[in-house]
Amino acid sequence: AQTVTQSQPEMSVQEAETVTLSCTYDTSESDYYLFWYKQPPSRQMILVIRQEAYKQQNATENRFSVNFQKAAKSFSLKISDSQLGDAAMYFCAYRSARAAGNKLTFGGGTRVLVKP
Amino acid sequence: NAGVTQTPKFRILKIGQSMTLQCAQDMNHNYMYWYRQDPGMGLKLIYYSVGAGITDKGEVPNGYNVSRSTTEDFPLRLELAAPSQTSVYFCASSYSGRKNTEAFFGQGTRLTVV
Repeated sequence: AQTVTQSQPEMSVQEAETVTLSCTYDTSESDYYLFWYKQPPSRQMILVIRQEAYKQQNATENRFSVNFQKAAKSFSLKISDSQLGDAAMYFCAYRSARAAGNKLTFGGGTRVLVKP
Repeated sequence: NAGVTQTPKFRILKIGQSMTLQCAQDMNHNYMYWYRQDPGMGLKLIYYSVGAGITDKGEVPNGYNVSRSTTEDFPLRLELAAPSQTSVYFCASSYSGRKNTEAFFGQGTRLTVV
């Protein structure tokens, strides 16, 4: 079974600065997808960014970018120019490209605090 | 579009009571899921369904039952509620297929068992 580990329970960043969240995963598969979800206090799960394992290029969405290291099984999220609205829980998630059901496996989450 | 709708948003149950958490989606998604999120933790898969009439267990299915009689609805049944089932429950749905199959989540149901 796949596992996803987020080793940082909480990270603090100054507004307009950059913060990087770590995620490692364990899998024997070569074809899969990785995701970062944001969960603000409203509880809503919001997709931030996705990465397909067969793509070498790191995904970018506006101020959010990832560093995908397939050999190291590492998938970090960088938030640039942090804004107060970025304060939330962030979850890393894994999905097999082959297993039935497109099920997600989540890490334990990292809380991001943004200081004004 | 309503997306994924869960009811109720909050509920307090007494130990031993039963209840059904409702979930409906209007996106014609084949796949639907139930996750639970314990305090300070990530989401864990309870059950999922790949289509009407087809369900399967996830990582933490004990104490729960599901059914999928229509594409739109995927209710989760709790029998004999226990304090260990205190959690936030999320329903989600997605298209079948391999690519660009983003999961859409409901807003969650906060359940407390006392």
